[in-house]
Amino acid sequence: EVQLVESGGGLVQPGGSLRLSCAASGFTFSSYWMSWVRQAPGKGLEWVANIKQDGSEKYYVDSVKGRFTISRDNAKNSLYLQMNSLRAEDTAVYYCARETGDLPGYWGQGTLVTVSS
Amino acid sequence: QSVLTQPPSASGTPGQRVTISCSGSSSNIGSNYVYWYQQLPGTAPKLLIYRNNQRPSGVPDRFSGSKSGTSASLAISGLRSEDEADYYCAAWDDSLSGPYVVFGGGTKLTVL
Repeated sequence: EVQLVESGGGLVQPGGSLRLSCAASGFTFSSYWMSWVRQAPGKGLEWVANIKQDGSEKYYVDSVKGRFTISRDNAKNSLYLQMNSLRAEDTAVYYCARETGDLPGYWGQGTLVTVSS
Repeated sequence: QSVLTQPPSASGTPGQRVTISCSGSSSNIGSNYVYWYQQLPGTAPKLLIYRNNQRPSGVPDRFSGSKSGTSASLAISGLRSEDEADYYCAAWDDSLSGPYVVFGGGTKLTVL
């Protein structure tokens, strides 16, 4: 069974940093593209970034380019999202997802990031 | 404002067939696959349809997807109370600043 468990969320001040982690199990992690998708409170889904199986390709939504970095450690079956220069508008539940085809298929339960002073 | 346009709400009675539309452009739906997700209240999204019209194992055949040109639709037949949820479409967008994934704004389905 595919399992994705996010961690690392919490309250951070504007301008601060946070690193999210996603522990994957139940599938061959190194064989799949992985993504981060977020959802602001009461709002819709917003794709944040994804990363190729070997980490050689990464794509980001414009609003996080230069501030967020997606990475992975295939030896640890883990996905990461380093978030710097955080803004109030980054407040959201962040979901880790494994791709099916070429978009997110399996999703974790999410971790809440709140950016506030 | 979302790149993909969905109606904010839809409704139907049990047993009815309802459709949810998703409108895009040549850079997204017109040239890439469309995916559909269901999000029940307080839970993570779940993949319903991938690559325009494919159902993952476990998804009932009451759910079907289609695409034509720069638009797509999700149809739900034999509507049930447990179908009450938010539904999102998504696709890659081949923008000039680099490819990225776009979602629709979501459609809240109410089962009357």
